[in-house]
Amino acid sequence: ETGVTQTPRHLVMGMTNKKSLKCEQHLGHNAMYWYKQSAKKPLELMFVYNFKEQTENNSVPSRFSPECPNSSHLFLHLHTLQPEDSALYLCASSQAPGRPFYGYTFGSGTRLTVV
Amino acid sequence: AQTVTQSQPEMSVQEAETVTLSCTYDTSENNYYLFWYKQPPSRQMILVIRQEAYKQQNATENRFSVNFQKAAKSFSLKISDSQLGDTAMYFCAPPGGGADGLTFGKGTHLIIQP
Repeated sequence: ETGVTQTPRHLVMGMTNKKSLKCEQHLGHNAMYWYKQSAKKPLELMFVYNFKEQTENNSVPSRFSPECPNSSHLFLHLHTLQPEDSALYLCASSQAPGRPFYGYTFGSGTRLTVV
Repeated sequence: AQTVTQSQPEMSVQEAETVTLSCTYDTSENNYYLFWYKQPPSRQMILVIRQEAYKQQNATENRFSVNFQKAAKSFSLKISDSQLGDTAMYFCAPPGGGADGLTFGKGTHLIIQP
């Protein structure tokens, strides 16, 4: 148990479906992140939330829609995805991303397959 | 731009051997932390070790230690007495630009052979 919980662990969805990924942390952290991990590629930062406010959107397509209702919960809403969106989606949390940065705690990820 | 290079895509060693994973990076920051994360087949990204850039002493966590050369922007990870459970992807993570905190390398796939 790392303190960051992601559900579901696996998800298979069609290109016309709508689904949501959930992330929850009970570490008292103030910042939460979504990362995409594709095969043979570095981790790609998607979104950053700091004290519930989105502070970073790394040119992510609008078919990915994040939601952060409070500092402990983060969602990623998915709709009309493409097969190339199949990847491992990792959630992380940290104390506020100031400097120096003390590092992340990651969840176990959701393995998403778009068919 | 902040960059990080892990020049060894894959390494394989025998159990109980010592192995060193290399990492070089670029940053304009002066006071920062550096990290090594491990990702086993279970997918969980686990913090292995953290180094404070303003400390000259290299960080050590049990069998894991780093060789940090600040001027050269080099941050290698040494695993002593390697174990089968050390088989994983290892990611070097120096500070990233902007609000994202860290930049991740492409990783080194370490395989420990019995």
